[in-house]
Amino acid sequence: AQSVTQPDIHITVSEGASLELRCNYSYGATPYLFWYVQSPGQGLQLLLKYFSGDTLVQGIKGFEAEFKRSQSSFNLRKPSVHWSDAAEYFCSRTEAGGTSYGKLTFGQGTILTVHP
Amino acid sequence: DTGVSQDPRHKITKRGQNVTFRCDPISEHNRLYWYRQTLGQGPEFLTYFQNEAQLEKSRLLSDRFSAERPKGSFSTLEIQRTEQGDSAMYLCASSLAGAYSPLHFGNGTRLTVT
Repeated sequence: AQSVTQPDIHITVSEGASLELRCNYSYGATPYLFWYVQSPGQGLQLLLKYFSGDTLVQGIKGFEAEFKRSQSSFNLRKPSVHWSDAAEYFCSRTEAGGTSYGKLTFGQGTILTVHP
Repeated sequence: DTGVSQDPRHKITKRGQNVTFRCDPISEHNRLYWYRQTLGQGPEFLTYFQNEAQLEKSRLLSDRFSAERPKGSFSTLEIQRTEQGDSAMYLCASSLAGAYSPLHFGNGTRLTVT
């Protein structure tokens, strides 16, 4: 079965520091990978997605992620964190095409705290 | 684009009661999904529709749960004889049917069963 692992439950960084959130996915022929952000009491907002092609993908709010097939990873990065980035971040995957698309498998999430 | 709308935002009910949630997707989206999120976990897939057809249901969706999308627009999720374990955030999402169409999530309905 598909799975997604986010090893870090909670990360704390200082405002202005760089950020990397880890995500590992189980092997799949053609994984589609996503990062979502969720603020308290809110739904999920898509930050970025990877389908194919360039392994470094850019997203909204200055985030980027790098797909590394050899490591089954899709880590999220931001060079300089802002206080408004404090939220919970979810990595997710689905398989390409057919009826499977949209059946996202999510990791447990990583809560990001930003210190001033 | 007015986004995905869910109603109510919060629902408190007593064990054994029935509850119904509504989701209004983005108007041009023909796919609609229901997910459930418990505290400290990522969302889990429950079911999805393409237009009015319910194409797949998760094993998480017991026979106490039923979802409909009668005219291919809004959807309802009903839970009968609620149990405390049903307490969760119920998220709705919608998308176009294409393989590259991302899901757009609503703000969810938080259910508390006392």
